[in-house]
Amino acid sequence: KQEVTQIPAALSVPEGENLVLNCSFTDSAIYNLQWFRQDPGKGLTSLLLIQSSQREQTSGRLNASLDKSSGRSTLYIAASQPGDSATYLCAVPGSNYKLTFGKGTLLTVNP
Amino acid sequence: DADVTQTPRNRITKTGKRIMLECSQTKGHDRMYWYRQDPGLGLQLIYYSFDVKDINKGEISDGYSVSRQAQAKFSLSLESAIPNQTALYFCATSEAGYHQPQHFGDGTRLSIL
Repeated sequence: KQEVTQIPAALSVPEGENLVLNCSFTDSAIYNLQWFRQDPGKGLTSLLLIQSSQREQTSGRLNASLDKSSGRSTLYIAASQPGDSATYLCAVPGSNYKLTFGKGTLLTVNP
Repeated sequence: DADVTQTPRNRITKTGKRIMLECSQTKGHDRMYWYRQDPGLGLQLIYYSFDVKDINKGEISDGYSVSRQAQAKFSLSLESAIPNQTALYFCATSEAGYHQPQHFGDGTRLSIL
Protein backbone atom coordinates (compact mmCIF):
# COMPACT_ATOMS: atom_id res chain seq x y z
CA LYS A 1 0.00 0.00 0.00
CA GLN A 2 1.41 3.36 -1.02
CA GLU A 3 2.15 5.76 1.81
CA VAL A 4 3.06 9.41 1.33
CA THR A 5 4.79 11.43 4.03
CA GLN A 6 5.42 15.16 4.10
CA ILE A 7 7.99 16.84 6.28
CA PRO A 8 7.79 19.24 7.99
CA ALA A 9 4.15 19.35 9.02
CA ALA A 10 4.41 23.10 9.50
CA LEU A 11 6.95 25.73 8.52
CA SER A 12 7.17 29.42 9.32
CA VAL A 13 9.64 31.65 7.46
CA PRO A 14 10.27 35.37 6.97
CA GLU A 15 9.35 36.93 3.66
CA GLY A 16 12.03 36.64 0.98
CA GLU A 17 13.48 33.37 2.21
CA ASN A 18 13.99 30.40 -0.13
CA LEU A 19 12.48 27.18 1.23
CA VAL A 20 12.13 23.47 0.52
CA LEU A 21 9.16 21.22 1.23
CA ASN A 22 9.71 17.47 1.29
CA CYS A 23 7.57 14.57 0.14
CA SER A 24 8.46 10.87 0.35
CA PHE A 25 6.59 7.81 -0.92
CA THR A 26 7.03 4.11 -0.17
CA ASP A 27 6.27 2.56 -3.59
CA SER A 28 8.59 3.94 -6.26
CA ALA A 29 6.50 2.48 -9.13
CA ILE A 30 4.69 5.75 -9.74
CA TYR A 31 3.56 7.34 -13.00
CA ASN A 32 3.82 10.89 -11.77
CA LEU A 33 3.72 13.08 -8.69
CA GLN A 34 1.50 16.11 -8.28
CA TRP A 35 1.98 19.09 -5.97
CA PHE A 36 -1.10 21.02 -4.81
CA ARG A 37 -1.77 24.15 -2.84
CA GLN A 38 -4.77 24.44 -0.50
CA ASP A 39 -5.89 27.73 1.00
CA PRO A 40 -8.10 27.67 4.13
CA GLY A 41 -11.66 26.72 3.24
CA LYS A 42 -10.73 26.34 -0.41
CA GLY A 43 -10.16 23.55 -2.85
CA LEU A 44 -6.90 22.16 -4.14
CA THR A 45 -5.01 24.07 -6.80
CA SER A 46 -2.65 22.00 -8.91
CA LEU A 47 0.81 23.58 -8.92
CA LEU A 48 3.05 21.13 -10.73
CA LEU A 49 2.92 17.61 -12.09
CA ILE A 50 6.15 15.71 -12.66
CA GLN A 51 6.02 12.66 -14.89
CA SER A 52 8.03 9.62 -13.81
CA SER A 53 10.44 10.20 -16.70
CA GLN A 54 11.21 13.75 -15.57
CA ARG A 55 13.52 14.93 -12.82
CA GLU A 56 12.35 18.53 -12.52
CA GLN A 57 9.44 20.78 -13.35
CA THR A 58 9.36 24.55 -12.98
CA SER A 59 6.60 27.13 -12.80
CA GLY A 60 7.56 30.68 -11.91
CA ARG A 61 9.15 30.70 -8.45
CA LEU A 62 8.32 27.02 -7.91
CA ASN A 63 10.59 24.13 -8.79
CA ALA A 64 9.70 20.52 -8.10
CA SER A 65 12.14 17.65 -8.32
CA LEU A 66 11.54 13.91 -8.37
CA ASP A 67 13.87 11.05 -7.46
CA LYS A 68 11.90 7.86 -8.02
CA SER A 69 14.66 5.52 -6.90
CA SER A 70 14.85 7.09 -3.46
CA GLY A 71 11.10 7.74 -3.24
CA ARG A 72 11.45 11.49 -2.78
CA SER A 73 10.23 14.75 -4.19
CA THR A 74 10.96 18.32 -3.15
CA LEU A 75 9.13 21.57 -3.81
CA TYR A 76 11.44 24.57 -3.84
CA ILE A 77 9.89 28.02 -3.42
CA ALA A 78 12.16 30.93 -4.21
CA ALA A 79 11.85 34.38 -2.66
CA SER A 80 8.81 33.47 -0.57
CA GLN A 81 5.94 35.97 -0.21
CA PRO A 82 3.09 36.24 2.34
CA GLY A 83 0.73 35.19 -0.45
CA ASP A 84 2.49 31.83 -0.56
CA SER A 85 1.05 31.00 2.86
CA ALA A 86 -1.08 27.88 2.45
CA THR A 87 -1.00 24.11 2.93
CA TYR A 88 1.04 22.28 0.31
CA LEU A 89 0.12 18.70 -0.54
CA CYS A 90 1.86 16.12 -2.67
CA ALA A 91 0.05 13.15 -4.21
CA VAL A 92 0.82 10.09 -6.33
CA PRO A 93 -1.65 7.98 -8.37
CA GLY A 94 -2.18 4.32 -7.55
CA SER A 95 -3.31 1.29 -9.52
CA ASN A 96 -6.95 2.37 -9.46
CA TYR A 97 -6.16 5.97 -10.40
CA LYS A 98 -6.74 6.97 -6.81
CA LEU A 99 -4.45 9.74 -5.65
CA THR A 100 -2.68 8.99 -2.39
CA PHE A 101 -2.03 12.26 -0.60
CA GLY A 102 0.40 13.26 2.07
CA LYS A 103 -1.03 15.13 5.04
CA GLY A 104 0.50 18.38 3.87
CA THR A 105 2.90 21.07 5.03
CA LEU A 106 1.34 24.23 6.47
CA LEU A 107 3.49 27.12 5.28
CA THR A 108 3.36 30.56 6.87
CA VAL A 109 5.38 33.38 5.32
CA ASN A 110 5.67 36.32 7.67
CA PRO A 111 5.90 39.88 6.31
CA ASP B 1 -16.14 30.56 -14.12
CA ALA B 2 -14.61 27.59 -12.38
CA ASP B 3 -13.83 24.51 -14.46
CA VAL B 4 -15.05 22.19 -11.68
CA THR B 5 -18.06 23.50 -9.76
CA GLN B 6 -19.43 22.00 -6.57
CA THR B 7 -22.78 22.81 -5.01
CA PRO B 8 -23.61 23.59 -2.31
CA ARG B 9 -20.43 25.12 -0.88
CA ASN B 10 -21.65 24.65 2.68
CA ARG B 11 -24.41 22.51 4.17
CA ILE B 12 -25.56 21.86 7.69
CA THR B 13 -28.08 19.08 8.20
CA LYS B 14 -29.36 16.60 10.76
CA THR B 15 -28.64 12.93 11.34
CA GLY B 16 -30.77 10.66 9.17
CA LYS B 17 -31.37 13.13 6.37
CA ARG B 18 -30.64 12.33 2.72
CA ILE B 19 -28.17 14.71 1.15
CA MET B 20 -26.94 15.18 -2.39
CA LEU B 21 -23.74 16.97 -3.33
CA GLU B 22 -23.38 17.95 -6.95
CA CYS B 23 -20.38 18.39 -9.20
CA SER B 24 -20.28 19.72 -12.74
CA GLN B 25 -17.31 20.33 -15.01
CA THR B 26 -16.60 22.23 -18.19
CA LYS B 27 -13.21 20.64 -18.86
CA GLY B 28 -14.58 17.86 -21.05
CA HIS B 29 -12.85 15.21 -18.94
CA ASP B 30 -14.12 11.64 -18.93
CA ARG B 31 -12.99 10.81 -15.41
CA MET B 32 -14.53 12.20 -12.25
CA TYR B 33 -13.81 11.49 -8.57
CA TRP B 34 -15.24 12.16 -5.13
CA TYR B 35 -12.91 12.56 -2.14
CA ARG B 36 -13.45 13.49 1.48
CA GLN B 37 -10.94 15.34 3.60
CA ASP B 38 -10.76 15.00 7.36
CA PRO B 39 -8.32 16.83 9.62
CA GLY B 40 -5.24 14.68 10.21
CA LEU B 41 -6.33 12.00 7.73
CA GLY B 42 -5.70 13.61 4.39
CA LEU B 43 -7.94 12.95 1.39
CA GLN B 44 -9.68 9.61 0.89
CA LEU B 45 -11.35 8.41 -2.32
CA ILE B 46 -15.08 7.65 -2.05
CA TYR B 47 -16.07 6.82 -5.65
CA TYR B 48 -14.69 7.34 -9.11
CA SER B 49 -16.12 7.16 -12.62
CA PHE B 50 -14.27 6.61 -15.89
CA ASP B 51 -17.31 7.44 -18.01
CA VAL B 52 -21.09 7.59 -17.73
CA LYS B 53 -21.43 3.80 -17.60
CA ASP B 54 -18.39 3.03 -15.46
CA ILE B 55 -18.57 3.72 -11.72
CA ASN B 56 -16.24 2.26 -9.13
CA LYS B 57 -16.00 2.20 -5.35
CA GLY B 58 -13.09 3.85 -3.66
CA GLU B 59 -11.62 3.10 -0.27
CA ILE B 60 -14.48 4.51 1.86
CA SER B 61 -17.69 4.03 -0.15
CA ASP B 62 -19.91 2.66 2.67
CA GLY B 63 -22.79 5.02 3.39
CA TYR B 64 -22.41 6.82 0.07
CA SER B 65 -23.80 6.41 -3.44
CA VAL B 66 -23.13 8.23 -6.70
CA SER B 67 -24.79 9.01 -10.00
CA ARG B 68 -23.07 9.99 -13.24
CA GLN B 69 -25.90 11.77 -15.01
CA ALA B 70 -23.79 12.94 -17.92
CA GLN B 71 -20.14 13.30 -18.82
CA ALA B 72 -20.13 16.65 -17.09
CA LYS B 73 -22.10 15.77 -13.95
CA PHE B 74 -21.28 13.49 -11.02
CA SER B 75 -23.38 13.54 -7.85
CA LEU B 76 -22.63 12.13 -4.42
CA SER B 77 -25.46 11.10 -2.09
CA LEU B 78 -25.52 10.31 1.59
CA GLU B 79 -28.63 8.15 1.98
CA SER B 80 -28.94 8.59 5.75
CA ALA B 81 -26.38 11.06 7.06
CA ILE B 82 -24.48 10.37 10.28
CA PRO B 83 -22.24 12.74 12.28
CA ASN B 84 -18.97 11.02 11.31
CA GLN B 85 -19.66 11.96 7.69
CA THR B 86 -18.98 15.56 8.67
CA ALA B 87 -16.06 16.53 6.43
CA LEU B 88 -14.90 18.57 3.48
CA TYR B 89 -15.90 16.89 0.20
CA PHE B 90 -14.06 17.41 -3.06
CA CYS B 91 -14.90 16.55 -6.63
CA ALA B 92 -12.07 16.13 -9.13
CA THR B 93 -11.74 15.43 -12.84
CA SER B 94 -9.03 14.17 -15.15
CA GLU B 95 -8.43 13.05 -18.67
CA ALA B 96 -7.90 9.35 -19.28
CA GLY B 97 -4.51 7.85 -18.46
CA TYR B 98 -2.15 7.61 -15.50
CA HIS B 99 -0.13 10.59 -16.66
CA GLN B 100 -2.92 13.13 -16.41
CA PRO B 101 -3.32 15.52 -13.47
CA GLN B 102 -6.49 15.69 -11.42
CA HIS B 103 -8.27 19.04 -11.14
CA PHE B 104 -10.28 19.82 -8.03
CA GLY B 105 -13.33 21.87 -7.21
CA ASP B 106 -13.50 24.26 -4.25
CA GLY B 107 -15.15 21.68 -2.03
CA THR B 108 -18.36 21.32 -0.05
CA ARG B 109 -18.15 21.70 3.71
CA LEU B 110 -20.74 19.35 5.20
CA SER B 111 -21.74 19.35 8.86
CA ILE B 112 -24.10 16.72 10.23
CA LEU B 113 -25.58 17.39 13.64
